[in-house]
Amino acid sequence: QVQLQESGPGLVKPSETLPLTCTVSGGSISGSTFYWGWIRQPPGKGLEWIGSVHYSANSYYNPSLKTRVTISVDTSKNQFSLKLSSVTAADTAVYYCVRHGDRGLWVSDFWGQGNLVTVSS
Amino acid sequence: QSALTQPASVSGSPGQSITISCTGTTSDVGGYNYVSWYQQHPGKAPKLMIYDVTNRPSGVSTRFSGSKSGNTASLTISGLQAEDEADYYCGSYTSTNTLVLFGGGTKLTVL
Repeated sequence: QVQLQESGPGLVKPSETLPLTCTVSGGSISGSTFYWGWIRQPPGKGLEWIGSVHYSANSYYNPSLKTRVTISVDTSKNQFSLKLSSVTAADTAVYYCVRHGDRGLWVSDFWGQGNLVTVSS
Repeated sequence: QSALTQPASVSGSPGQSITISCTGTTSDVGGYNYVSWYQQHPGKAPKLMIYDVTNRPSGVSTRFSGSKSGNTASLTISGLQAEDEADYYCGSYTSTNTLVLFGGGTKLTVL
């Protein structure tokens, strides 16, 4: 059974970069057809897809965040990471890392437990 | 791009059936059979319940079913149980640059 676990700071200052890492267990990132992604949920609000990456480093990003987002893969550690730059209070959210099923990016079949990140000085 | 449209809330009594709608456009829900549904209990991560409009992942109860007509997809829960009380989100592929859209979520209350 694939398991995902987010790690990173719970508090980030405005204008700084938000860094999160997702560690995957129970399955290998490399050599698979799956994409691995990030989805966020502001408190009390709905879901927003941020972006997704393949172990080959091929990636897709939400255009609304693309200029501020980088998603990368470290196959040696079986991890993938998110960096969101120039954060504001609007970026306060629970950030989930997910595995996209082999159907496509619109299917997220495994989720991490979520990492609440608050942007505040 | 705007999110898919879901009702803010629905309710039903134990044993009844309810349906949650998810309305989009021909660029997303109406144009492709790429709609997913997720269940989210308070403080928990979402759980995939339906994918590609009608398919259930292994382990998901057969009480959950999906369908689509035109630009509107629907999630039906039959034989409502107390444990079904949760937020439900639809998601879809979109042919626009956004690629993935979600609905605003529907809160299901089991009376």
